[in-house]
Amino acid sequence: SQTIHQWPATLVQPVGSPLSLECTVEGTSNPNLYWYRQAAGRGLQLLFYSVGIGQISSEVPQNLSASRPQDRQFILSSKKLLLSDSGFYLCAWSVGASGTQYFGPGTRLTVL
Amino acid sequence: QKEVEQNSGPLSVPEGAIASLNCTYSDRGSQSFFWYRQYSGKSPELIMFIYSNGDKEDGRFTAQLNKASQYVSLLIRDSQPSDSATYLCAVNMNSGGGADGLTFGKGTHLIIQP
Repeated sequence: SQTIHQWPATLVQPVGSPLSLECTVEGTSNPNLYWYRQAAGRGLQLLFYSVGIGQISSEVPQNLSASRPQDRQFILSSKKLLLSDSGFYLCAWSVGASGTQYFGPGTRLTVL
Repeated sequence: QKEVEQNSGPLSVPEGAIASLNCTYSDRGSQSFFWYRQYSGKSPELIMFIYSNGDKEDGRFTAQLNKASQYVSLLIRDSQPSDSATYLCAVNMNSGGGADGLTFGKGTHLIIQP
């Protein structure tokens, strides 16, 4: 069966510091991978998605970036965090064209 | 602007009754529709998906889709206190299907009263 991991689970960072969040998927090959953010009182916002190694599509202009160095690894980064980057960051995967996505446990980021 | 709209609630339903959750979407070409449940502080978990007009049943859950009205709903029969959560409606607005991300509504907060 498929499993998706995210770490860290919780993170508190000062404004202007860098960020690196990691997501890995087990039990499937060539998944589509996604990063979403859920800010307090707001809906899930798609940030990036990837259909393969090195292929990244960005949905929202911002100070975040994503990379996919391996088939089942997806990384979300920032060089300098803003207060507005606080939120619940969720990685998800899907396979094929069905669009059915499964979420990881998430990383709760607080920027102070 | 592609949008998915849900009533934020809270929707309060007595235990054992039917809970009815509704969702409308803006893109007529949308092909795939999903319901997720999210407990406070946790990540969303998939409940059901539906692609075709009509009803789809899975245990106590029934999803209903009406593409002409751009409307999708979720019915929960014999509601239990453990069903208390936020329910997210999500739509794949890529008319060709595929790997694009989903567009989510803001969710409906459901409370099942014992």
